[in-house]
Amino acid sequence: SAVISQKPSRDICQRGTSLTIQCQVDSQVTMMFWYRQQPGQSLTLIATANQGSEATYESGFVIDKFPISRPNLTFSTLTVSNMSPEDSSIYLCSVRRLLAGGASNTNEQFFGPGTRLTVL
Amino acid sequence: GDSVTQMEGPVTLSEEAFLTINCTYTATGYPSLFWYVQYPGEGLQLLLKATKADDKGSNKGFEATYRKETTSFHLEKGSVQVSDSAVYFCALYAGGTSYGKLTFGQGTILTVHP
Repeated sequence: SAVISQKPSRDICQRGTSLTIQCQVDSQVTMMFWYRQQPGQSLTLIATANQGSEATYESGFVIDKFPISRPNLTFSTLTVSNMSPEDSSIYLCSVRRLLAGGASNTNEQFFGPGTRLTVL
Repeated sequence: GDSVTQMEGPVTLSEEAFLTINCTYTATGYPSLFWYVQYPGEGLQLLLKATKADDKGSNKGFEATYRKETTSFHLEKGSVQVSDSAVYFCALYAGGTSYGKLTFGQGTILTVHP
């Protein structure tokens, strides 16, 4: 398995400010993902962050709003910029690990505990 | 595109009742299928998975069988406990150019009463 930690675990922020969420993994991984879970909703992928390249954003998400850094193989940050109440969500970091000895589809994805963000 | 549809919730059961949460999917090719569980105040945990047709994933008394003919991956448990109260998400990984992206269903809230 993979141990993933996120900071902060929760925060309450004012409209118009920005918050940077950190994700730390206990081992090196190629691909890291950032998801958003709005209240009562499912998870939506924001972007995929690969070390050494720019993040790839999903439809509806843009770099100016959600800049991502990936300085090494164990760490990533997601910034929620110019926040509004609609950004109130749980933000989850995730990594994908190929199981040892498995075929290309025998992978597992592990999730951090999430950052619960409330924007007033 | 790929999609996952779960049965509408929430689901409320008495302890020791039988649980079924329906999940159907749409995907090209042969996706891997997963059930994740989210306990109150916690992140997602992988509950079980299946990577090819007719595979049965199982864990903690939960089971799900990958049915390609009906594009389904229903979650079942013969006797639920109060500690099973959580949100359950069905998800698929399509592989190929999806580069690790998981597509999730909308989640089903399960509440088990003593």
